[in-house]
Amino acid sequence: DTEVTQTPKHLVMGMTNKKSLKCEQHMGHRAMYWYKQKAKKPPELMFVYSYEKLSINESVPSRFSPECPNSSLLNLHLHALQPEDSALYLCASSQDKGTRFNQPQHFGDGTRLSIL
Amino acid sequence: QKEVEQNSGPLSVPEGAIASLNCTYSDRGSQSFFWYRQYSGKSPELIMFIYSNGDKEDGRFTAQLNKASQYVSLLIRDSQPSDSATYLCALGGSQGNLIFGKGTKLSVKP
Repeated sequence: DTEVTQTPKHLVMGMTNKKSLKCEQHMGHRAMYWYKQKAKKPPELMFVYSYEKLSINESVPSRFSPECPNSSLLNLHLHALQPEDSALYLCASSQDKGTRFNQPQHFGDGTRLSIL
Repeated sequence: QKEVEQNSGPLSVPEGAIASLNCTYSDRGSQSFFWYRQYSGKSPELIMFIYSNGDKEDGRFTAQLNKASQYVSLLIRDSQPSDSATYLCALGGSQGNLIFGKGTKLSVKP
């Protein structure tokens, strides 16, 4: 069982829909991350939140909108997605971003997103 | 731009053997290194992390780091069919993020 919980596990949506992905952790971690993973590729970073503030936005299209309501929750709001956005979306958390040494990140089970 | 290189495999070893997975990286200043295991259709699972030169052991797993040669490896002793997965090497980025290699697919044959 993972300590990072993502919902939903699967999501099918049309290109005009609006939906949200949710991530929750209760490990007291202060850094949370969104990654996107296409089939047979490694995860690619989308966003980093540190102490509830957005610290990295890796040039992600505006149709993806992150939100961190509190230190335990991370949302990813989706709007007007394209078929190429179909992927596994992974949430991760770590104790903090780390200074000299990065802290290990723990991943949720992911949300498998399909855009019709 | 930090880069991480891994042989994509597949690496095939017989059950009970030692599997050796290797990773090289481009940024000599990198300080943090991670190994994740990912089963097909599942999310990455943290196996080991290492910060200092030398070996770090945890059960059947040993991570080895050589900063002078810019490589990190993962040894799996007494390999089991359940170890068959893709192993992702990652190094820590300057903003707390992980930079992944493309992964090595390991197959352990009974």
